[in-house]
Amino acid sequence: KQEVTQIPAALSVPEGENLVLNCSFTDSAIYNLQWFRQDPGKGLTSLLLIQSSQREQTSGRLNASLDKSSGRSTLYIAASQPGDSATYLCAVSLTYGGSQGNLIFGKGTKLSVKP
Amino acid sequence: DGGITQSPKYLFRKEGQNVTLSCEQNLNHDAMYWYRQDPGQGLRLIYYSQIVNDFQKGDIAEGYSVSREKKESFPLTVTSAQKNPTAFYLCASSLWDRRFAGYTFGSGTRLTVV
Repeated sequence: KQEVTQIPAALSVPEGENLVLNCSFTDSAIYNLQWFRQDPGKGLTSLLLIQSSQREQTSGRLNASLDKSSGRSTLYIAASQPGDSATYLCAVSLTYGGSQGNLIFGKGTKLSVKP
Repeated sequence: DGGITQSPKYLFRKEGQNVTLSCEQNLNHDAMYWYRQDPGQGLRLIYYSQIVNDFQKGDIAEGYSVSREKKESFPLTVTSAQKNPTAFYLCASSLWDRRFAGYTFGSGTRLTVV
């Protein structure tokens, strides 16, 4: 059964720092991996989607990498800003069984960027 | 602008009542999903539907029911059989071929039992 783990559960950094959020998954049979942002009491906003055949995706100050063989992904945030404060969720898309295509989520990393 | 609309934003349910959460999308997406989010836990899948008039149970379907009569709409009913319904409910949608498609989420409904 696929399991997704995100470390750390919470992270506090000063403004301007570069930071890395980690995501690991137990089964490398995935279609893709997605990173989402969630603000308190809000829905999820899609940040980056990496296909299983890709190694990384970039959007602005965000860069996500994928190492499918080791079951790891990282989300790199450059020059962090207070507006980046949110919970970041990682999810993988299943390739097998009746749940093919469904997402399995990690519990998230709560990021706080201090001015 | 295309997107997903969930309503209401806040919902209060008395013990023994059924309540229905609305989810509408104008993205022309084929697949729609309902997730439940509890503090300190990841999102858990309740039900999903890949086409009209068809839906499948997710990991925690007990005490919930859904319908998919229109492509744009996927309402979720929380029945009195759901023992602990207080949670944040999120609706999402995606293209049919989910291997390559990202998910779009609504803004959520917070359900509280009073």
